[in-house]
Parts: sequence; structure tokens; C-alpha cells
Amino acid sequence: AQSVTQLGSHVSVSEGALVLLRCNYSSSVPPYLFWYVQYPNQGLQLLLKYTSAATLVKGINGFEAEFKKSETSFHLTKPSAHMSDAAEYFCAVSDRGGTASKLTFGTGTRLQVTL
Amino acid sequence: DGGITQSPKYLFRKEGQNVTLSCEQNLNHDAMYWYRQDPGQGLRLIYYSQIVNDFQKGDIAEGYSVSREKKESFPLTVTSAQKNPTAFYLCASSTAGSYEQYFGPGTRLTVT
Repeated sequence: AQSVTQLGSHVSVSEGALVLLRCNYSSSVPPYLFWYVQYPNQGLQLLLKYTSAATLVKGINGFEAEFKKSETSFHLTKPSAHMSDAAEYFCAVSDRGGTASKLTFGTGTRLQVTL
Repeated sequence: DGGITQSPKYLFRKEGQNVTLSCEQNLNHDAMYWYRQDPGQGLRLIYYSQIVNDFQKGDIAEGYSVSREKKESFPLTVTSAQKNPTAFYLCASSTAGSYEQYFGPGTRLTVT
């Protein structure tokens, strides 16, 4: 069984400040991990993914995440927040199934960016 | 452009009526998925399909039904048996062995 815990349902940062969104996972197999972003009333867009290659993964819009097996974490960071980063962010873990691999999502973190 | 289409964007129904949500993809993906999203609960898997004419229940399948007659299409029916149908519904697809899923824009269903 797999699970994802996102610490903090709401995070607020000032424009230009560091963004840190936390994700911890539990998985019975070596995990494949994902971060998705969702803008209001829209679908989810993939930010980045970890699939057992480099532990530091770079994604779109300046985001990156580091896989830490010892801490079972996959936190999302961005050095300098922009107003356009305000959205909801979801961490997910894959069951690494066959043709269809099921994703288990965290409950999401809403990022607010203030001036 | 390749992608996933969900229609309509907003849907309103009276309680007791069945309603079908459309999902079409032109990505040539084998697998398709339906999720339900409620505030503060993330996304929960309703049904998924690996190939045409085959589908499996997800974590919250009760009150829903699906069909997969064509590779491109995976419609979801919300039946009158679903106790709390008002939600945001998202369709996704993936290619075999890719693990990442691509999402459509979603349909917001309101039942009164």
C-alpha cells in the first residue's frame, strides 16, 4: 500500500522568497514520485517526476525536488516565488503497475504568494 | 494539438438523475483514469482502464459506472446511487509503462 502526506494545507510566502512544500511518502516498492500543479478550475499539470535516476529533479517553472530515501521525503522547492506560482500543489506516488499505474495523491497544499 | 478533452466544463443535474461525463484523448494512450476531487481531500480514483473493453474499480467506485468501447474514449456515468455526486471530476491518461498521467481540464458537476 502507498500513501502520501503533505504537511501544511496552506503555505503563504512573499514574492521573491523561498518556496518549500513538504511531501512524505510510504511505499512498499521503490517509489516513483510526482509533483503536479493545479490552477483554479483547471486540470493538473505535471511539474516534475522522480523515477529512480538523479535524486535532485528539476522541473518546469523553476521548481525542483529532492528525493531522500532515508527521510522518505520528496519536498518541492523554488528559490524565488512569483505571483504566478499561486496555485494548489499535489504530491503523488505511483504503484508502478503495468499498463495502468495507479497514482495515490496527497491532499494538496495551496500556495499563496503575497507582495 | 494532442490532449485530453472533457465536456462540458460545468454540469448541473437534479437529484435522482443519471449523468454522463465525457472524456476523449488523442494522445494514443492505452490507459485512462477517472478521479474525483473534493476540497481538502486531494484526488481519489474512481475507475481506470488499461485497454479497450476492460476496466477496474478504483477506491471509490460505488455509484459510478464506465465503459471503454474505444481507445480514445472513457465516459463516466454518475448514477442516482451516488450519495454525494457534487464534485470536480478529472479524467487522465497514460501510456504503457510511463507512470506519469496527463490530465484533462475537468468537469464540475453540481447536483441539487
